[in-house]
Amino acid sequence: EAQVTQNPRYLITVTGKKLTVTCSQNMNHEYMSWYRQDPGLGLRQIYYSMNVEVTDKGDVPEGYKVSRKEKRNFPLILESPSPNQTSLYFCASSGGPNQPQHFGDGTRLSIL
Amino acid sequence: AQSVTQPDIHITVSEGASLELRCNYSYGATPYLFWYVQSPGQGLQLLLKYFSGDTLVQGIKGFEAEFKRSQSSFNLRKPSVHWSDAAEYFCALKTSYDKVIFGPGTSLSVIP
Repeated sequence: EAQVTQNPRYLITVTGKKLTVTCSQNMNHEYMSWYRQDPGLGLRQIYYSMNVEVTDKGDVPEGYKVSRKEKRNFPLILESPSPNQTSLYFCASSGGPNQPQHFGDGTRLSIL
Repeated sequence: AQSVTQPDIHITVSEGASLELRCNYSYGATPYLFWYVQSPGQGLQLLLKYFSGDTLVQGIKGFEAEFKRSQSSFNLRKPSVHWSDAAEYFCALKTSYDKVIFGPGTSLSVIP
């Protein structure tokens, strides 16, 4: 089954404690993205990747890092999380620039 | 500037009534446009997409959308709403590679 898998689904942690949210897709897609969703703001793109070792900033990249060492994986790294990064995060992948994105089920992060 | 607006934050309709959700975009070139639906606690599901060609696009679950370049709009319609359509609806614009801009969303409530 074609899918985008995110882990963990839920995480409560404290300010400053580094965390990584993993994302994996099994569709051999070249393009992958990370979004955060906040009430009233819709989804905002954090980072996106067009291929292995090729990433670019989205609209809200501050405080986040990503890496794309393998085509299927695109982890999101919060090196020093802060409470304003409490949000619902989605990973997505697509097969090309004119293709729709497939979304994971989301990761709810709470930073205390 | 590239942007997507959804003028209606929340809409309530009666079951069986028709529905139209508005979406306006700002982009200097031919847009790739999408509508997604998000049920509570779920990820995003693609309803339909527009890349080029026929300006009336059919999607899943009985939805359709019409692209109007002159009005920079991509409104979503359904002739008869079902209670299961209650959800959050997002319009999205894909500009290049995987750069995607989402609107803030419209929450749909359905009265039995």
